[in-house]
Amino acid sequence: SYELTQPPSVSVSPGQTASITCSGDKLGDRYVCWYQQRPGQSPVLVVYEDIKRPSGIPERFSGSNSGNTATLTISGTQAMDEADYYCQAWDNSTVVFGGGTKLTVL
Amino acid sequence: EVQLVESGGGLVKPGGSLRLSCAASGFKFSNAWMTWVRQAPGKGLEWVGRITSITDGGTKDYGAPVKGRFTISRDDSKNTLYLQMNSLKTDDTAVYYCAPGGSYFGYWGQGTLVTVTS
Repeated sequence: SYELTQPPSVSVSPGQTASITCSGDKLGDRYVCWYQQRPGQSPVLVVYEDIKRPSGIPERFSGSNSGNTATLTISGTQAMDEADYYCQAWDNSTVVFGGGTKLTVL
Repeated sequence: EVQLVESGGGLVKPGGSLRLSCAASGFKFSNAWMTWVRQAPGKGLEWVGRITSITDGGTKDYGAPVKGRFTISRDDSKNTLYLQMNSLKTDDTAVYYCAPGGSYFGYWGQGTLVTVTS
């Protein structure tokens, strides 16, 4: 079965750029999306189809996907961005989530 | 405004059954592919399965951990999605979310907690 791998944790200072990676075999051949989940809340879609942002998502969130790695980049990270982030892709008729990355803003 | 309200969660013993419901509004439910995702306490998101629209065949697909035990269905006349869970295991303990879509999910409900324990 297809697997997506994320680092368990990433730390960033306020105002700096955070990069969260998601790796999988030939991931660049698939569409990837990203979710933000704050404690006790439902997930929120922040990037879909590799690079697109849903309405209402700040421009500081951006995505890329090439080769075996997709990346979620948060520019000018704010304290409110501290959350768990999950990548997700499709594989034939199934959906696959990465294990999640805890972003700490300190 | 899209609204998704999951219900039916609760405490159940291993080997037991439970049926979850997801009441949807704010979009054309009958045209939507619908998905269930779960999240065990302190763990990540896990895809449970999905059902396509009836016009797309009503096809159902399931994740490996639940295949053969869980069944997804829909009632378009009631704008409601269901998840019938049989032969429950302690590993099925999780918050269960429903979401419209089959490939990515822009709307989520608040989830319903299922606890499987003896």
